[in-house]
Amino acid sequence: DTEVTQTPKHLVMGMTNKKSLKCEQHMGHRAMYWYKQKAKKPPELMFVYSYEKLSINESVPSRFSPECPNSSLLNLHLHALQPEDSALYLCASSQANGNTEAFFGQGTRLTVV
Amino acid sequence: QQQVKQSPQSLIVQKGGISIINCAYENTAFDYFPWYQQFPGKGPALLIAIRPDVSEKKEGRFTISFNKSAKQFSLHIMDSQPGDSATYFCAASRMDSNYQLIWGAGTKLIIKP
Repeated sequence: DTEVTQTPKHLVMGMTNKKSLKCEQHMGHRAMYWYKQKAKKPPELMFVYSYEKLSINESVPSRFSPECPNSSLLNLHLHALQPEDSALYLCASSQANGNTEAFFGQGTRLTVV
Repeated sequence: QQQVKQSPQSLIVQKGGISIINCAYENTAFDYFPWYQQFPGKGPALLIAIRPDVSEKKEGRFTISFNKSAKQFSLHIMDSQPGDSATYFCAASRMDSNYQLIWGAGTKLIIKP
């Protein structure tokens, strides 16, 4: 199983809503990532979890709150987002050391209205 | 120093032709160079990757050529097919940064039947 599964695939939310994005992998990977991708741009790294601990936060606004409940799951909690936060949110995972191949999920297309 | 410059921005190739995408980097500490393929509405998928101790790596119709002295690497797609139409991203990373990917800007490839 080389899949990273993200839910939901699409999400429309108002600026006052609270929602969560979910990501799951069963490859035994100990590094998990959240990326944000705007149209026609490369993915931008938001957060990295290594062995369930937050190791990198790329100066992301506090309206985005990551959570890693266990080694297979990664959540991104969203609150009070702005329309400019509309984007494709990608989850990825990789082995924490050595092998560097990162597997990406299909993403959640988020629209903030 | 952290940038990866990718060209061209877009590319149109006839079916059966060779598609060539180029990337250049500055940081000589980079030690892993992957190429990702992304179809619309999907997450990026690792296509092929190379380390600087080899000058070429081939997997099927896809070849990476690596020129360490010039700090350049390129992706060649032989016998290009309409199904290869996608956006291609080069990237670079290094072990001491926990293999965070530094992405090129992307190339939109269209293969004309």
